[in-house]
Amino acid sequence: QQQVKQSPQSLIVQKGGISIINCAYENTAFDYFPWYQQFPGKGPALLIAIRPDVSEKKEGRFTISFNKSAKQFSLHIMDSQPGDSATYFCAVSRRALTFGSGTRLQVQP
Amino acid sequence: NAGVMQNPRHLVRRRGQEARLRCSPMKGHSHVYWYRQLPEEGLKFMVYLQKENIIDESGMPKERFSAEFPKEGPSILRIQQVVRGDSAAYFCASSSTAAETQYFGPGTRLLVL
Repeated sequence: QQQVKQSPQSLIVQKGGISIINCAYENTAFDYFPWYQQFPGKGPALLIAIRPDVSEKKEGRFTISFNKSAKQFSLHIMDSQPGDSATYFCAVSRRALTFGSGTRLQVQP
Repeated sequence: NAGVMQNPRHLVRRRGQEARLRCSPMKGHSHVYWYRQLPEEGLKFMVYLQKENIIDESGMPKERFSAEFPKEGPSILRIQQVVRGDSAAYFCASSSTAAETQYFGPGTRLLVL
């Protein structure tokens, strides 16, 4: 049973463009929605996270938009840079994290 | 303030051998989680431990896998009689409470020959 569906699987964006990654979840019991960034050979690093009592959270170039009624949330990366090229995972949590399948982002210079 | 530490970073085992993976949580963290990442896939939850207690092992295979987090020392994930399908990256994460952010270690990459 896939509790978190993430799309797209891969994404190519030009430098300076906006990268958008989407996730949809099934269980309304989740109360914490983080995004992790992972570079090859490294562990996931927390990028930004949101709780369901707010609809948007912005930290620098990264924004999470959260739609509780639709059970969807998305990551927006503004002014995308080549250094942002990595795999991004959304996750949902009540305790342990359930991850999406990942999005491989490539930002072309 | 050191982050989550895992060792070894790489581990090679032959089929049938045992693998022991160690995780030292961040200072002040008493909650430890283990995840497995197969090549080109997302991370899958295995087990959640607090000091001396297994809280949730719903993601752990029923056989050959065990985990512990003793009062003193690191958390250990043990895989007995490894098979080729156990080849994966195993990540440990820690948090200060059950509701707080989980911080990940660099992982142990297990290769079973």
